[in-house]
Amino acid sequence: QVQLQESGPGLVKPSQTLSLTCTVSGVSITSGSYFWTWVRQPAGKGLEWVGRIYTTGSANYNPSLRSRVTVSVDASKNEFSLRLTSMTASDTAVYYCARGRVEMSGPHFDVWGQGILVTVSS
Amino acid sequence: QSVLTQPPSVSGAPGQTVTISCTGTSSNIGAPYDVHWYRQLPGTAPKLLIYGNNNRPSGVPDRFSGSKSGTSASLAITGLQAEDEADYYCQSYDSGLSDSIFGGGTKLTVL
Repeated sequence: QVQLQESGPGLVKPSQTLSLTCTVSGVSITSGSYFWTWVRQPAGKGLEWVGRIYTTGSANYNPSLRSRVTVSVDASKNEFSLRLTSMTASDTAVYYCARGRVEMSGPHFDVWGQGILVTVSS
Repeated sequence: QSVLTQPPSVSGAPGQTVTISCTGTSSNIGAPYDVHWYRQLPGTAPKLLIYGNNNRPSGVPDRFSGSKSGTSASLAITGLQAEDEADYYCQSYDSGLSDSIFGGGTKLTVL
């Protein structure tokens, strides 16, 4: 059974950098046909794709966040991470990690973590 | 504003059928990239409900079905139950943005 679990600080000060980790269990993070992604959701609002990383190490990011976001993978720990710099109140959200399936007809996300609430406040 | 457009809310009585629409453009749904649907119960993470337009993951009842035509897609829920009350999101891929995109979500209320 594949499971994802987010970890990291629940509170970040404005201008600081957020670092979150997603620990993957039940499958190797390097297994084919998958990628690993972050999605966030401000309170009472919809889902926003943040970024993804493939098993090759290649990453893609939401253009609105591209200058501030980095997604990386540590295969030895079977986990991947999100780094978001220059945090502001508008970055306050629940952050989810998820597994994406690579399909020619477009990807989808078949396994999600439970989410972690990150609040930006001084 | 989301690239994919969903109605903010829909409602139905127990046992009825409701449909939720998801409208896109020629660079996503009409490209044609597949549409996928997620259900988010209050306070929980989204869960994959339909993938590849009309496929159900193991464990999802056949009361849930999806369809796609042109630049739009729909999720149908038959035999509505109280536990279906949740937020529903459509998702696709946009070739212009080179991003995965979500609809704004639809809140289903069971009357």
